[in-house]
Amino acid sequence: GAVVSQHPSRVICKSGTSVKIECRSLDFQATTMFWYRQFPKQSLMLMATSNEGSKATYEQGVEKDKFLINHASLTLSTLTVTSAHPEDSSFYICSARWGGRGVTEAFFGQGTRLTVV
Amino acid sequence: DAKTTQPPSMDCAEGRAANLPCNHSTISGNEYVYWYRQIHSQGPQYIIHGLKNNETNEMASLIITEDRKSSTLILPHATLRDTAVYYCIVRVAGGSGATNKLIFGTGTLLAVQP
Repeated sequence: GAVVSQHPSRVICKSGTSVKIECRSLDFQATTMFWYRQFPKQSLMLMATSNEGSKATYEQGVEKDKFLINHASLTLSTLTVTSAHPEDSSFYICSARWGGRGVTEAFFGQGTRLTVV
Repeated sequence: DAKTTQPPSMDCAEGRAANLPCNHSTISGNEYVYWYRQIHSQGPQYIIHGLKNNETNEMASLIITEDRKSSTLILPHATLRDTAVYYCIVRVAGGSGATNKLIFGTGTLLAVQP
């Protein structure tokens, strides 16, 4: 399958600082990228959907000013957690999909473990 | 997207076939059935998908009932590395980003026993 890479895989930051997570599609052009958050022993929760060159669409209850998403190119999307607090500590996962015709599955990055201290 | 129902957990002996059921009784005609799995602390991995015909690839087989209200993912010879949470998701294929979002349920924790 296609490769989606996230960086960093782990990050620890101080409360009040911002953290940027990168998601890259390595061998295909991702017209759509998705960002998920997963708390321990829970399922993945979709945070937002972004199409290249457009503003992200956020799911209900997700603060767009806190979780800034940029999808400036067909191979890169970034999630910035602004003014992070301990409750933002979670596993963040991106997913990318090629927007061609027909059935195309989404591929996932390996995830980023964020710990806010 | 239609909702799915899966058992919370299942056990399987190593080397035996693992059969994971999924109910999707409200699936629409243009919605596909997708299966992903998530090994602990990793991102989900795509396994297989289908519309109405049975599908097989190098990882698994997908059996969809004729009325499409349920399906079964089959891992023919389970190994310890197949221990993971398996998610069954239905969604429309193609179209714009919004219609393609994958909404995860709680999935089935498959524990392969030695």
